[in-house]
Amino acid sequence: EAQVTQNPRYLITVTGKKLTVTCSQNMNHEYMSWYRQDPGLGLRQIYYSMNVEVTDKGDVPEGYKVSRKEKRNFPLILESPSPNQTSLYFCASSWRLAGYEQYFGPGTRLTVT
Amino acid sequence: AQSVTQLDSHVSVSEGTPVLLRCNYSSSYSPSLFWYVQHPNKGLQLLLKYTSAATLVKGINGFEAEFKKSETSFHLTKPSAHMSDAAEYFCALSDSGNTPLVFGKGTRLSVIA
Repeated sequence: EAQVTQNPRYLITVTGKKLTVTCSQNMNHEYMSWYRQDPGLGLRQIYYSMNVEVTDKGDVPEGYKVSRKEKRNFPLILESPSPNQTSLYFCASSWRLAGYEQYFGPGTRLTVT
Repeated sequence: AQSVTQLDSHVSVSEGTPVLLRCNYSSSYSPSLFWYVQHPNKGLQLLLKYTSAATLVKGINGFEAEFKKSETSFHLTKPSAHMSDAAEYFCALSDSGNTPLVFGKGTRLSVIA
């Protein structure tokens, strides 16, 4: 089944404790992206990747890191999480950047205390 | 710069009555436009997409949308609402070039029995 998977689905952590949210897709997509969703703000893009070893900042990259060492994986790293990073996070992938629909993962709900 | 405006943050309809969710866009190029649906505690699912073919696009679950270039709109409609349609709906735009998908802030649809 074609899908985007994220882990963990739920995470509660404390300020400053490094964490990684994994994202994997099995559709051989070139483009992958991370979003955060907050009430009243919709979806905001954090980082995206056009292909392996190619990443770029989205609208809200501060406090986040990403890497794209393999085509299928695009982990999101929070080196020192803060409470304002409490949010619902989505990973997405598509064939290309422009003109193609994105396939979304199920989401990761992160709480930073 | 490209942008998407969803004109209503919340729409409430009675079951069996028509649904209209409004989306206006701004783009310097020929855009691709998408509608996504997000049910509670779920990821985003593609409802339909416009990519410069027919201006009236049919999607899943009886939804359709019409691309109107003169009005820069891509409104989502359904003739008869069902309780299961209650969800958050997002309009998104992708134009040519190396610019990521842009989302509107979402419209929450409530369906009253």
